[in-house]
Amino acid sequence: SQKIEQNSEALNIQEGKTATLTCNYTNYSPAYLQWYRQDPGRGPVFLLLIRENEKEKRKERLKVTFDTTLKQSLFHITASQPADSATYLCALDANSNSGYALNFGKGTSLLVTP
Amino acid sequence: EAQVTQNPRYLITVTGKKLTVTCSQNMNHEYMSWYRQDPGLGLRQIYYSMNVEVTDKGDVPEGYKVSRKEKRNFPLILESPSPNQTSLYFCASSSLIAGELFFGEGSRLTVL
Repeated sequence: SQKIEQNSEALNIQEGKTATLTCNYTNYSPAYLQWYRQDPGRGPVFLLLIRENEKEKRKERLKVTFDTTLKQSLFHITASQPADSATYLCALDANSNSGYALNFGKGTSLLVTP
Repeated sequence: EAQVTQNPRYLITVTGKKLTVTCSQNMNHEYMSWYRQDPGLGLRQIYYSMNVEVTDKGDVPEGYKVSRKEKRNFPLILESPSPNQTSLYFCASSSLIAGELFFGEGSRLTVL
């Protein structure tokens, strides 16, 4: 069966450090992978999309890597700030035969302390 | 402002009382979808729609109905709600070319 695995344990880091979150998947052949941020009780907000033929993508303090051989994506936040504290979700297109379906991991909670 | 609007944001109802959660987007997106989010289970897709009059089941469609009569609206219908449908519901839309989903603010539903 298809699985998207993210660290279930919360990640606690100190302000200024780099946070690294992991997304592993099985039984997917995604054309792309996405990362979202979710604050408590709010809807997820899109951050980055990386395609299967891209190794790395950056946006300001964010960096995403995508290794289709390892079936893994790493999400980095450099110079982290307390405002970065949130849950981060990775999502993959499920290659549904009947259309477009985006499946989400359960997310990793990040806490950045001053 | 580009947005996905859900109503109601909060609702407490009783078992068996039909309810509809509305969803509207103003971005002219072809694709719309409903998810439910439960602790420990993450976001699970209920139904999605690739365009007007085209809908399809997601991973957890039992107990739900949807319709897509207009491009901007995608209501979620619970014909006979049960307590296991107590959840946080999100509507989302996307331009199929771009791929990124825009989410609504969520509708917290409690079924007693």
